[in-house]
Amino acid sequence: DTAVSQTPKYLVTQMGNDKSIKCEQNLGHDTMYWYKQDSKKFLKIMFSYNNKELIINETVPNRFSPKSPDKAHLNLHINSLELGDSAVYFCASSQELANGELFFGEGSRLTVL
Amino acid sequence: TQLLEQSPQFLSIQEGENLTVYCNSSSVFSSLQWYRQEPGEGPVLLVTVVTGGEVKKLKRLTFQFGDARKDSSLHITAAQPGDTGLYLCAGVNTNAGKSTFGDGTTLTVKP
Repeated sequence: DTAVSQTPKYLVTQMGNDKSIKCEQNLGHDTMYWYKQDSKKFLKIMFSYNNKELIINETVPNRFSPKSPDKAHLNLHINSLELGDSAVYFCASSQELANGELFFGEGSRLTVL
Repeated sequence: TQLLEQSPQFLSIQEGENLTVYCNSSSVFSSLQWYRQEPGEGPVLLVTVVTGGEVKKLKRLTFQFGDARKDSSLHITAAQPGDTGLYLCAGVNTNAGKSTFGDGTTLTVKP
């Protein structure tokens, strides 16, 4: 069983389009995150949610809108995609906020043409 | 903003060699974690160090947390091709509610 699963794994789209990435964790964790990994492999936090409540919004453009329908799911919707949005987006979860191990999904590679 | 700098950024060595990766910051962290990431996958936790000066060993890997809890090192003895990957340190700031990742060290171990 995959602990943190995200879909799709690959996404290729045109500039200006809107797309979503979904994430689910079956670990029973309270906290979920979205990270962005750029072409230089730098991993930067975007959002964190604790029990469906937004905790961290790390100066991400408001074209990015996370949604957590329940504590096992955290989805990411991106409006008006730009070339600079191309990256690998990782979902992660942890038992507590900023404490303990981060469990990552396999990543969703977004390519904006 | 808390920054974590890793060195070296790239390391290519022969099987059997030893190596050390450094993770440095001017900020103090509650704890520090090391992750390894393989191509096409997410990072996987190797270790968490919490106390200043702490040393943890995981088979051929030795991790040390600096006395001031600002820096850390990862030493690998007798590296093997299976050690190849991207090594990431992450400083945990419990008060800020987040982990900050270093810029990564890409290790290639040639057979």
